[in-house]
Amino acid sequence: DTEVTQTPKHLVMGMTNKKSLKCEQHMGHRAMYWYKQKAKKPPELMFVYSYEKLSINESVPSRFSPECPNSSLLNLHLHALQPEDSALYLCASSQEGAGVGSPLHFGNGTRLTVT
Amino acid sequence: RKEVEQDPGPFNVPEGATVAFNCTYSNSASQSFFWYRQDCRKEPKLLMSVYSSGNEDGRFTAQLNRASQYISLLIRDSKLSDSATYLCVPDNAGNMLTFGGGTRLMVKP
Repeated sequence: DTEVTQTPKHLVMGMTNKKSLKCEQHMGHRAMYWYKQKAKKPPELMFVYSYEKLSINESVPSRFSPECPNSSLLNLHLHALQPEDSALYLCASSQEGAGVGSPLHFGNGTRLTVT
Repeated sequence: RKEVEQDPGPFNVPEGATVAFNCTYSNSASQSFFWYRQDCRKEPKLLMSVYSSGNEDGRFTAQLNRASQYISLLIRDSKLSDSATYLCVPDNAGNMLTFGGGTRLMVKP
C-alpha cells in the first residue's frame, strides 16, 4: 500500500472543463513532485515543491497550475487541456527537500483522459 | 549524451536465470542512485537505493562504477513476478529528477 494518496484514480474531462488532481502524504516529507507519464515512456518531471515553495517548473504550459496548500498536500489544477495531455499523472514525495537525494515515494497516480 | 541512458530491452529470460542491466549517467557529481520497478499501468516502486559502491537485497544486487559512470542491477534466480520495467534515477547533482528510459524485463516459464 502506498503512503502517498492520489485522487481521483481516473478522470475524464473535456477540453473546456476545469478539474483538480489531489495528492496527500503524511510521512513528514518536505518535498513533493508532479510527474506526467505517457505510455511506454518514463515519468517526466513537471513541478517540484520544496518546503512548500515551488522550486522547479519544467516549462510546463500554464493550463497546468500546481498548488501546495501545506506540507502534506499538493494539488494540480487543470484547465483547457488538450487531448495530448492524456496521461498518468503521478505525485511523489521525498523526505528531504529536492536536492538532497532521498528516494521518491509515488502515489498510485491519476489516469487522465482528455476528450 | 543523454543524462540517463538505459537499454530499453526487452530482456527475455527463463525463470531461474540471472540477468543484469546497466544504467549510464552523465553527471559525475551524482552521489545517490535509485532503482525503481514499474509494473504495467502502475506507479514506480522503489527497489533499491545506492549511496556508495553498491547494495544487495536478497536476489537483487546494485553495483556502482563511478569511474565509468554507470550503475548496474543484477537479478539472480529470476521469478515470473520480476517481469516489469526497471527505471534508474541518479541523484543529479542533488536534484533527483530525471529517470532513465527504463529497461523492460520479461521472465518466461
